[in-house]
Amino acid sequence: TQLLEQSPQFLSIQEGENLTVYCNSSSVFSSLQWYRQEPGEGPVLLVTVVTGGEVKKLKRLTFQFGDARKDSSLHITAAQPGDTGLYLCAGAGGSYIPTFGRGTSLIVHP
Amino acid sequence: SQTIHQWPATLVQPVGSPLSLECTVEGTSNPNLYWYRQAAGRGLQLLFYSVGIGQISSEVPQNLSASRPQDRQFILSSKKLLLSDSGFYLCAWSTAQDAIHQAKFSNSPLHFGNGTRLTVT
Repeated sequence: TQLLEQSPQFLSIQEGENLTVYCNSSSVFSSLQWYRQEPGEGPVLLVTVVTGGEVKKLKRLTFQFGDARKDSSLHITAAQPGDTGLYLCAGAGGSYIPTFGRGTSLIVHP
Repeated sequence: SQTIHQWPATLVQPVGSPLSLECTVEGTSNPNLYWYRQAAGRGLQLLFYSVGIGQISSEVPQNLSASRPQDRQFILSSKKLLLSDSGFYLCAWSTAQDAIHQAKFSNSPLHFGNGTRLTVT
């Protein structure tokens, strides 16, 4: 079973601060996806990274896939209250069935 | 465009009662379909997935079953609910790989429904 460890589990910050959340595994993934989930709703895809070392930007969010395709990070610049939510990473491995991490719960205070 | 519908949104059921949650997808053909359970707003546990009509794979042995009577319909059921079945149930779909490689799923993302909050009392 491929496991994804996300850190930190909880993050509470003030508006305007920067933050980074991490997604780590001992397994190699063919691709990795980041989702954001708001309470009472299903997760929504933010980005998919496929190539080792790949960096993708989505407005104030920067996603990086590790060179060995075992880890990924999500960096948010100047966080806003609208960024509040549960951030989940999911990796697709040999069977391509996505495996999810436990998530990072982010609260951004105005 | 593709849409996914999941209902009901909330459900309160007594222990020992049956369960039926339904999920339908529109705007795509032959999708991969998934049922996940999420406890306490944390990570997602894969319960079942399906690559085609009548084809169900179970990831975790438990009190639940799934069926896919039509291409874009996925149903999660239980004959007798347990307290431990409480949770947030999410249905999702993804684009399948071409038919020749049905053993592999694509790297395409999952598209989730809005979930069903099940409370077993």
